[in-house]
Amino acid sequence: DARVTQTPRHKVTEMGQEVTMRCQPILGHNTVFWYRQTMMQGLELLAYFRNRAPLDDSGMPKDRFSAEMPDATLATLKIQPSEPRDSAVYFCASGSPPWGVRGNTEAFFGQGTRLTVV
Amino acid sequence: GIQVEQSPPDLILQEGANSTLRCNFSDSVNNLQWFHQNPWGQLINLFYIPSGTKQNGRLSATTVATERYSLLYISSSQTTDSGVYFCAVRRNTGFQKLVFGTGTRLLVSP
Repeated sequence: DARVTQTPRHKVTEMGQEVTMRCQPILGHNTVFWYRQTMMQGLELLAYFRNRAPLDDSGMPKDRFSAEMPDATLATLKIQPSEPRDSAVYFCASGSPPWGVRGNTEAFFGQGTRLTVV
Repeated sequence: GIQVEQSPPDLILQEGANSTLRCNFSDSVNNLQWFHQNPWGQLINLFYIPSGTKQNGRLSATTVATERYSLLYISSSQTTDSGVYFCAVRRNTGFQKLVFGTGTRLLVSP
């Protein structure tokens, strides 16, 4: 059953703590997205990787957020230090090659990590 | 960047009614997807439809890429159709990121 897997599903943490969210893309998918969903802002793109290289992280607050792909089966999104305004649902999505101008593929989403910072 | 607008923002239907949701985008795209976010928050793929028409059961979608819009049709709506419907597009150029619209919140009442 090919699916994008995100862990943890829920996370409650205190302000100032480090938070790490993990994503396992669908096997063989070489494109990974991180999105944040809030009531006010909708679905915002935070970072975008292809073949493990970051292509666009312009939507991500650089002072506290970082995103990496240590290998093809794992993407991470880290917040340090966390703040109450970071409370949101964070989604990971993956797309199969060839994702690009001539690509004809769709993206699939994980179930999300619901983060609450108190 | 590309702008993606969806209408209507909210829709309330009686079970059995039909509806049409619209997605307008401001630039040429080579990918357009429709998603349903169910009440549990899951984003479910409905259609990959950069152009043309597709049907899947009670749902169908049409994209007219040259006029920069897509339509999602829901026929004989059921309470399980409730949730938020998003379209997302990918431009022909640039970094090929997937940009989401603002969504249409649908409530189907029995």
